[in-house]
Amino acid sequence: KAGVTQTPRYLIKTRGQQVTLSCSPISGHRSVSWYQQTPGQGLQFLFEYFSETQRNKGNFPGRFSGRQFSNSRSEMNVSTLELGDSALYLCASSLAHREGEKLFFGSGTQLSVL
Amino acid sequence: SQQGEEDPQALSIQEGENATMNCSYKTSINNLQWYRQNSGRGLVHLILIRSNEREKHSGRLRVTLDTSKKSSSLLITASRAADTASYFCATDGGGADGLTFGKGTHLIIQP
Repeated sequence: KAGVTQTPRYLIKTRGQQVTLSCSPISGHRSVSWYQQTPGQGLQFLFEYFSETQRNKGNFPGRFSGRQFSNSRSEMNVSTLELGDSALYLCASSLAHREGEKLFFGSGTQLSVL
Repeated sequence: SQQGEEDPQALSIQEGENATMNCSYKTSINNLQWYRQNSGRGLVHLILIRSNEREKHSGRLRVTLDTSKKSSSLLITASRAADTASYFCATDGGGADGLTFGKGTHLIIQP
């Protein structure tokens, strides 16, 4: 069974641009969560999607958005990029994100904003 | 916001020794999970312990949980060079914040 796939692996953008990151979950998994990882703040929860609906959202500005498609693939979008958005963006999937389920993470997209 | 705080931030030991990492958290939890991250890669789930459990084993891993002290520890026995990684605890409070991760312990195993 293929793991969680994130594309692209690396991305370089300039301030003010927008970016779209993609995540394909493990086959059969319907929940996709996104996390931002930085050296200063560590891992922070962005949002979680289940069956094309956003169920939970972390404390991030509205510039960060996402969506999930009927095949459970998910994208996240960051508009008007800021230098502080430079981070490793991790996607994780699970069957239904019920209590006690473990998350399966992709290798992440390393975003650098210049 | 960070709920879990790992201690120490970094740990360097010789191969074959045991490594112990600690995690403290602030609010009530349903379960606590430990993940490993190799440099610049995704996280790999290691073990989950529920709030009504006190100790759990998986291979060379032993996790304890003390809900009265809001703390957990991860013990890796007979360490190997391949155990070099960052280790994170993550709490699940059942709320809308997803898993809340600590900042991690960076473990280096010297050959």
